[in-house]
Amino acid sequence: NAGVMQNPRHLVRRRGQEARLRCSPMKGHSHVYWYRQLPEEGLKFMVYLQKENIIDESGMPKERFSAEFPKEGPSILRIQQVVRGDSAAYFCASSPRYLDEQYFGPGTRLTVT
Amino acid sequence: DQQVKQNSPSLSVQEGRISILNCDYTNSMFDYFLWYKKYPAEGPTFLISISSIKDKNEDGRFTVFLNKSAKHLSLHIVPSQPGDSAVYFCAASQRFGSNDYKLSFGAGTTVTVRA
Repeated sequence: NAGVMQNPRHLVRRRGQEARLRCSPMKGHSHVYWYRQLPEEGLKFMVYLQKENIIDESGMPKERFSAEFPKEGPSILRIQQVVRGDSAAYFCASSPRYLDEQYFGPGTRLTVT
Repeated sequence: DQQVKQNSPSLSVQEGRISILNCDYTNSMFDYFLWYKKYPAEGPTFLISISSIKDKNEDGRFTVFLNKSAKHLSLHIVPSQPGDSAVYFCAASQRFGSNDYKLSFGAGTTVTVRA
C-alpha cells in the first residue's frame, strides 16, 4: 500500500511565476490536508479538502493561494505569482475518514529565487 | 500565535539512556495530543498519541505523559537507539471538544542519539 505521494519533491521558481504542488493520498483516503513548514518553525495548517470540496481553508493566505481535490486525480496546491516568502516545505496528509490519523507525504520543498 | 511550544530545539543523548522531550501548550481547549517523528527529506510519521482523559500512554519504548493542569506533555524514549535520531514534533487538536481535525504543531526538537 503506497503512502502519500507528493511531487515534485523540489521545485524552484522565480518570483512572479506559478507553483503547482501535487498530492496523491493513500489508497482509500478521501480526506486531504495541506500544511506549510517555514524555516525553524513547525507545520502550519493551510487547507482541508474532500473530493471536489474545500471544507476548511482558514489557514490559506487570502491571495495567490488556492487548492483543489478533483473527483479524479491528485490534490493540487497552486501558488500564483510566487514571492520569496513562499519558500517553504509544503506537506500533504491524508486520512481515510474524518478525524482519523493523518498520514503525511514526504513534502515538496519550494524555493523562490 | 504559537499555541504549541517545544522550547528545546535540540537534545543529545547517549545510546541506551532515556530521551525526554517536552512540549507546552497554551490552548486549554486542546484535548488530543500527538507526537510525530521526522527524518530528513521525509514527511512526519505518527508515533504516539494521548487524549485528555488520560495522563499516560505507552507503546513499546515510547511513553507520553500529559499534565493538563500544567498544560504540559512529554515524550520518553527508553532506551534510546541510534535510529531514534530525528526531529520530533508535538501536535495538538480539539478533536473531541469541537471535532477539529486541524493539528497545531510545535517547532520540533532534534534528537541525536550518540553511540
